[in-house]
Amino acid sequence: DVKVTQSSRYLVKRTGEKVFLECVQDMDHENMFWYRQDPGLGLRLIYFSYDVKMKEKGDIPEGYSVSREKKERFSLILESASTNQTSMYLCASSFAGGVNQPQHFGDGTRLSIL
Amino acid sequence: AQKITQTQPGMFVQEKEAVTLDCTYDTSDQSYGLFWYKQPSSGEMIFLIYQGSYDEQNATEGRYSLNFQKARKSANLVISASQLGDSAMYFCAMREGRKSGYSTLTFGKGTMLLVSP
Repeated sequence: DVKVTQSSRYLVKRTGEKVFLECVQDMDHENMFWYRQDPGLGLRLIYFSYDVKMKEKGDIPEGYSVSREKKERFSLILESASTNQTSMYLCASSFAGGVNQPQHFGDGTRLSIL
Repeated sequence: AQKITQTQPGMFVQEKEAVTLDCTYDTSDQSYGLFWYKQPSSGEMIFLIYQGSYDEQNATEGRYSLNFQKARKSANLVISASQLGDSAMYFCAMREGRKSGYSTLTFGKGTMLLVSP
């Protein structure tokens, strides 16, 4: 079974802190993704990576950065956390290639910025 | 325009009955894939079923089937014999062929399904 592991299920941070969310996958997937999920807005793509050290902006990259130094690990960084970044964050991974590749998700991190 | 539309914010069904969750999509690509995910209250997103645009048969996975009507651009999820554990949020998603190399998915806003005893 595919395993995507996010470092924390719940996280509470203060405004202005630098926050790191970590994600590790064990299936040798080329692609990795970070989403945020808010009520009524569904899932919105923040950033994705299709290879080590490669990244692409998604729909809502402002206020975030990412790092992918190893194939299995993809980190989301909130440079200076703000209260409007309180949300559920979901990491996913998939093989590259055709349209039939599903994304496999981690359990999510519920992040609260106070 | 939204690429994935799920018009039902919430659905109620009794245990052991069948339920259909609606999904319509919009794309100009000939090659695309449609996915359904389940998200229980615990938060994890669980992949349920996939339908390719060139697949002639409707996809099935256990109690889940996908009613694919290409001309109508609809990909409805049918859950047969509902169980209490089916209570969750359900998301429809699409991957378009032009972007397949990057494997990005576009999600609908979801339908909350509640199964009552």
